[in-house]
Amino acid sequence: GAVVSQHPSRVICKSGTSVKIECRSLDFQATTMFWYRQFPKQSLMLMATSNEGSKATYEQGVEKDKFLINHASLTLSTLTVTSAHPEDSSFYICSARDPGMVWSPLHFGNGTRLTVT
Amino acid sequence: SQQGEEDPQALSIQEGENATMNCSYKTSINNLQWYRQNSGRGLVHLILIRSNEREKHSGRLRVTLDTSKKSSSLLITASRAADTASYFCALDKLIFGTGTRLQVFP
Repeated sequence: GAVVSQHPSRVICKSGTSVKIECRSLDFQATTMFWYRQFPKQSLMLMATSNEGSKATYEQGVEKDKFLINHASLTLSTLTVTSAHPEDSSFYICSARDPGMVWSPLHFGNGTRLTVT
Repeated sequence: SQQGEEDPQALSIQEGENATMNCSYKTSINNLQWYRQNSGRGLVHLILIRSNEREKHSGRLRVTLDTSKKSSSLLITASRAADTASYFCALDKLIFGTGTRLQVFP
């Protein structure tokens, strides 16, 4: 089945630094990837839709300059949390659909737990 | 909010028992999906039910959909300890429900 790989799985960084999270589709080309944020015991909140070769589409309330998304190739999207603060600590998850299928479920990465100290 | 609302929020049962969780929503949908999330991991797709379907089965999973009531249910029969996870419904526009945390005790 289609696999989405997310890296790193855990990262701890100091306040004010930037952190980059990678999301790769391993056996299909993903023109679109999705980034979510999840707080403990809560649901996933869609942050943005990453589009290969064009600007990402951000959901209302998500700061574009804070959460930089780059989708430079058909298999890689990155989310950079800039000038991280403790309130950015969360679980970030990416997903993608396989465009080669008539209908594809969302394939998720295993998530990145970010802790900002 | 277009988010699906799930109940119960948490459910604890013994192995072998059935687990039922419900999802209610407010918008019109083309399909509704159920996903499972193990603690600290990504989500895994379980089953999709289209708006013109009323019931669907996949192994020990049974999903129903009532579009008139805007609700869906997921039934896990003969639960196992390995079924312990959070379960989310998802509407066709990438909107996830609030989730049900299922704990199955051996």
